[in-house]
Amino acid sequence: AQKITQTQPGMFVQEKEAVTLDCTYDTSDPSYGLFWYKQPSSGEMIFLIYQGSYDQQNATEGRYSLNFQKARKSANLVISASQLGDSAMYFCAMREGPGSGGGADGLTFGKGTHLIIQP
Amino acid sequence: ETGVTQSPTHLIKTRGQQVTLRCSSQSGHNTVSWYQQALGQGPQFIFQYYREEENGRGNFPPRFSGLQFPNYSSELNVNALELDDSALYLCASSLEIAGLQETQYFGPGTRLLVL
Repeated sequence: AQKITQTQPGMFVQEKEAVTLDCTYDTSDPSYGLFWYKQPSSGEMIFLIYQGSYDQQNATEGRYSLNFQKARKSANLVISASQLGDSAMYFCAMREGPGSGGGADGLTFGKGTHLIIQP
Repeated sequence: ETGVTQSPTHLIKTRGQQVTLRCSSQSGHNTVSWYQQALGQGPQFIFQYYREEENGRGNFPPRFSGLQFPNYSSELNVNALELDDSALYLCASSLEIAGLQETQYFGPGTRLLVL
């Protein structure tokens, strides 16, 4: 079974609109972390936002926020006021175990969502 | 920019050859992880090094091996290259303190093509 599921292979969004990228996860570990990374065509994975399983509040970083619904095992990324530079692949990833990093088993990534912002 | 660097940026090899990829971690980080990203897929965890020892490994065969040096830089070695090894190889560095690892920051990657 997939541990990270991203159901939107591609999305087209008008500039300045808000966009929600879906991510569901599967783990039996009570301690885990969820991450979103952005990957432009250049290839580098850019860290956007982190949510720990015990965090009481949804994470926010500038225009990025994470809609964390623990009971539903979902961790959707919300980008407010989208910009042309937001066009990229977006990956949801999970770490199982303590710490906010990958742990000895590394990060498990989804297949990604290709977001295209249209002017 | 994260401060994580990788070399080379691109590489072309033929089947059966060996390759070494290099990674310099971000200043202050002591852990390096390597990932393989095939075209159209998410990255897959290869292994992780902490204090110069491998302390975690994904589902990759032994012909994928690595090293971490005292300055926390790292190498990924792949022997007996196969066509399916063609991918983007990503290095990520992080800080581990008292068994807790912080967020991983990635380098720009090395694109390997095996012919």
